[in-house]
Amino acid sequence: EPEVTQTPSHQVTQMGQEVILRCVPISNHLYFYWYRQILGQKVEFLVSFYNNEISEKSEIFDDQFSVERPDGSNFTLKIRSTKLEDSAMYFCASRVMAGNTIYFGEGSWLTVV
Amino acid sequence: GIQVEQSPPDLILQEGANSTLRCNFSDSVNNLQWFHQNPWGQLINLFYIPSGTKQNGRLSATTVATERYSLLYISSSQTTDSGVYFCAVDYGNNRLAFGKGNQVVVIP
Repeated sequence: EPEVTQTPSHQVTQMGQEVILRCVPISNHLYFYWYRQILGQKVEFLVSFYNNEISEKSEIFDDQFSVERPDGSNFTLKIRSTKLEDSAMYFCASRVMAGNTIYFGEGSWLTVV
Repeated sequence: GIQVEQSPPDLILQEGANSTLRCNFSDSVNNLQWFHQNPWGQLINLFYIPSGTKQNGRLSATTVATERYSLLYISSSQTTDSGVYFCAVDYGNNRLAFGKGNQVVVIP
């Protein structure tokens, strides 16, 4: 069964450093998402992406965050200058069209020290 | 924004027992999904269920959209059912709003 893949599975970074999290959505999917989950808390929406542009973003997704689809398969989340509170599991997700089932990747665990 | 409330927050089950998890939401939604988050943090799709009832093995789910709730039934629970169960509703333009989850522990 096709799946969303994410890399790296775990990254430790120093505060202030830039981080890029990578995702390969399911190949025929058109809608892409990033969510995050701080340890022990619920999953929170960050951003949705469709037709090569951001379609919606939450208040969490401030200027230090950016997303990109650099080629036909990858979808990336960049955190420009990491803070301690950015430590979380980051999930990439995709779906064929709005309203359909969303499929999540296995997550990238980011630890900022 | 929309509120998604899950109950009970924590549940301890003896292996073989049945249980019901509930998800209430505060507004009309386009659809609803149930996920199981395993101990490794992976979010596993269980059901896409905007309305009606679906069954998948020992799990089943019912959504009554007009009354703004969904139920997840676990029958004959096994230790592998342990983890956090999340309800997530699809609303607005294009986003899922998650509840805080039901932490389930199944003991042998």
